[in-house]
Amino acid sequence: AQSVTQPDIHITVSEGASLELRCNYSYGATPYLFWYVQSPGQGLQLLLKYFSGDTLVQGIKGFEAEFKRSQSSFNLRKPSVHWSDAAEYFCAVGAWYGNKLVFGAGTILRVKS
Amino acid sequence: GAGVSQSPSNKVTEKGKDVELRCDPISGHTALYWYRQSLGQGLEFLIYFQGNSAPDKSGLPSDRFSAERTGGSVSTLTIQRTQQEDSAVYLCASSPHDGGEGEQYFGPGTRLTVT
Repeated sequence: AQSVTQPDIHITVSEGASLELRCNYSYGATPYLFWYVQSPGQGLQLLLKYFSGDTLVQGIKGFEAEFKRSQSSFNLRKPSVHWSDAAEYFCAVGAWYGNKLVFGAGTILRVKS
Repeated sequence: GAGVSQSPSNKVTEKGKDVELRCDPISGHTALYWYRQSLGQGLEFLIYFQGNSAPDKSGLPSDRFSAERTGGSVSTLTIQRTQQEDSAVYLCASSPHDGGEGEQYFGPGTRLTVT
């Protein structure tokens, strides 16, 4: 069965600083990996996804993520954080059939000015 | 275009009552999912629809929970005899694909409070 671990519950970064959110997954086959963002009171918005091919994927809002099979990781990065990036971020893994998503517990990002 | 919509946005109900939550997916999306988001359990999968059939109901927590989808479009999640532990945000998502590559588009959710 799939599982996802996001080891950081909260992260605080200064505006303009770089960001890395960690995600480790467990899945027996090639995973489908996603990062979603949720602002307070909002639904989930897809930031980026990885299915195959280039292990560095670009997403919306200047985010990118790198798939490392050897480390079972799919960390999210952004070179310069904006105050509007403050939100909760979820990493998810999907199976080949049906694409039921299994989510991590989420990381709450706070941006200080 | 229009995204996934859910109604009501908030629902307060008394313990023991039945509730119905509605999801309108993006037009043309064949796959539809229900998830539940609660403080203690995080985001949990409930059920997956492919067209009008539900090949995966493995996440439904008890037989008090049921869901249907009609016309390959609207879906209703029904919770019978609600309990306080049912309090959560119920999220619906749709996808244009049934396979693993289908990204899911989420609605804003229905916040259910059982008193």
